[in-house]
Amino acid sequence: AQKITQTQPGMFVQEKEAVTLDCTYDTSDPSYGLFWYKQPSSGEMIFLIYQGSYDQQNATEGRYSLNFQKARKSANLVISASQLGDSAMYFCAMRAPGETSGSRLTFGEGTQLTVNP
Amino acid sequence: GAGVSQSPSNKVTEKGKDVELRCDPISGHTALYWYRQRLGQGLEFLIYFQGNSAPDKSGLPSDRFSAERTGESVSTLTIQRTQQEDSAVYLCASSYTGELFFGEGSRLTVL
Repeated sequence: AQKITQTQPGMFVQEKEAVTLDCTYDTSDPSYGLFWYKQPSSGEMIFLIYQGSYDQQNATEGRYSLNFQKARKSANLVISASQLGDSAMYFCAMRAPGETSGSRLTFGEGTQLTVNP
Repeated sequence: GAGVSQSPSNKVTEKGKDVELRCDPISGHTALYWYRQRLGQGLEFLIYFQGNSAPDKSGLPSDRFSAERTGESVSTLTIQRTQQEDSAVYLCASSYTGELFFGEGSRLTVL
């Protein structure tokens, strides 16, 4: 079975600094996808970034980048130049192995990020 | 609509009552998911529909939970004989290429 682990229940960062949110995963399937979602206090889930297991380069989307270390089975999210609006819960998720696109995601427990002014 | 729509946004019910939660996915999205999120926790998979294939019901916690979807349209999640531990936000998501687009959720409170 797939498992996602986020070991940081809470993180704090100063505005304009970079922060790394940790995510490790466990799967025996060679083909998988990794996602990060942001959940502000309003409750909506906002897609941030995606990394495929066969992608040669680390994914980047604006201020978000994914530090993908396949051998270590880690997919850490890096947020550069933090902004106050980045304060939210962040979830790492993995697509169930063996499924085609649109398959279900398994989520971690989340990391609550607080950006201080 | 432009996004995934869920109703009701809030539902308070008494223990033992049945509830129905509705999800209207993004038009053209073949996949639809239901997740449950208890307070302060991650998302717990409940059920997944993909087109006309048999749904993946492996996440449903008990036989009090059921869901239906007609074709690629609206889905209804039904919880029978609600219990206090069913209190949570129920999130629906739809997908076409893999990325999930979530609704704003239905907050269920069972007294």
